[in-house]
Amino acid sequence: ETGVTQTPRHLVMGMTNKKSLKCEQHLGHNAMYWYKQSAKKPLELMFVYNFKEQTENNSVPSRFSPECPNSSHLFLHLHTLQPEDSALYLCASSQENSPEAFFGQGTRLTVV
Amino acid sequence: AQTVTQSQPEMSVQEAETVTLSCTYDTSESDYYLFWYKQPPSRQMILVIRQEAYKQQNATENRFSVNFQKAAKSFSLKISDSQLGDAAMYFCAYRSLTGANSKLTFGKGITLSVRP
Repeated sequence: ETGVTQTPRHLVMGMTNKKSLKCEQHLGHNAMYWYKQSAKKPLELMFVYNFKEQTENNSVPSRFSPECPNSSHLFLHLHTLQPEDSALYLCASSQENSPEAFFGQGTRLTVV
Repeated sequence: AQTVTQSQPEMSVQEAETVTLSCTYDTSESDYYLFWYKQPPSRQMILVIRQEAYKQQNATENRFSVNFQKAAKSFSLKISDSQLGDAAMYFCAYRSLTGANSKLTFGKGITLSVRP
């Protein structure tokens, strides 16, 4: 039990579909993050939420839409994605005054 | 902006031997954190070890230790008595102290294989 749970683990979607990725953390943290992991590239930070407020949007295309209804849950809504959006999407959480981030197992997304 | 460089894409080590993974970073800050994360095939990113820049003593966690050279901006990970379960991708990461919940900046990672 890692404390950060992501669903689904795998997702295949067409370019015209709408889907959502879910992240839930059971650690009492106040910050949550979405990262994109593509092959041969460093992890790219997409969004940061701090106390449910979005504090960073790293120039992410609008076809990715985050939602943070409370400090424990984070969603990533997907629509009209492109094949190059296929990647592993990782969620993480952390607590103020603590440097470590804890990660979920990721959602492997394939856009066809 | 901070950058993290892992120049070796792959390394291999014989079981029970020692291996060192390299990482360099660039920053203008004097206080920060450095991390090594492990990502096995299960894809879970697991924290291996953490180093605070203000501490001169190198961090150690059982078979894992770091060689932190602040002036050279180098942060290598040494794995002693390598085990088959150590096979994974290893990421070096940097985190600033400034700014609430400042982000982690990762290197590209290195794939470590362990030969039985």
